[in-house]
Amino acid sequence: AQSVAQPEDQVNVAEGNPLTVKCTYSVSGNPYLFWYVQYPNRGLQFLLKYITGDNLVKGSYGFEAEFNKSQTSFHLKKPSALVSDSALYFCAVRAPDTDKLIFGTGTRLQVFP
Amino acid sequence: DAGITQSPRHKVTETGTPVTLRCHQTENHRYMYWYRQDPGHGLRLIHYSYGVKDTDKGEVSDGYSVSRSKTEDFLLTLESATSSQTSVYFCAISEVPPIAGGRNEQFFGPGTRLTVL
Repeated sequence: AQSVAQPEDQVNVAEGNPLTVKCTYSVSGNPYLFWYVQYPNRGLQFLLKYITGDNLVKGSYGFEAEFNKSQTSFHLKKPSALVSDSALYFCAVRAPDTDKLIFGTGTRLQVFP
Repeated sequence: DAGITQSPRHKVTETGTPVTLRCHQTENHRYMYWYRQDPGHGLRLIHYSYGVKDTDKGEVSDGYSVSRSKTEDFLLTLESATSSQTSVYFCAISEVPPIAGGRNEQFFGPGTRLTVL
């Protein structure tokens, strides 16, 4: 069965420092991987995806994620955090032959000035 | 929010009453989904639709039914609401099934906050 794990409920980082939000997955076959962000009282917004190709994927707002097949991970990164990046981040996985996304439990990112 | 609206945005109801939530899209996307969001659980799929009158169950479908009579509308019904169905409900749409090179991402509506007393 497909599953996604986000091991950290919250990540705290100072503005200007690099940030990492972790995600590991379990799926049979080649995964389709996604990151979404949710700002307060809003729906989820798509950030980036990995389907195939380069392991380093660049997305919106300066975020990027690295697909690591051997470690079954898809960590979200940003070189320099902004206070406005503070939000709830969700990792999701889809198996190639299904229509459904499986979401992680979310990681709250808090960036301090 | 990508041409997706949800109504109502907030609702308070009593245990045992029927509730219908509506999702409306203007993108003409084939696939539509209903999720619930709860602390510690992330988003969980309730039901989804892969075309008009074509629906299937997600991982937490008990107590919920859906209908899709038009491409643009996807209704979620709680036949007899319970307190455990207090949650934030999100509708999502996607254009195509998962294919390499395709736009596989889902786009989400603003959500409906439902409280069952």
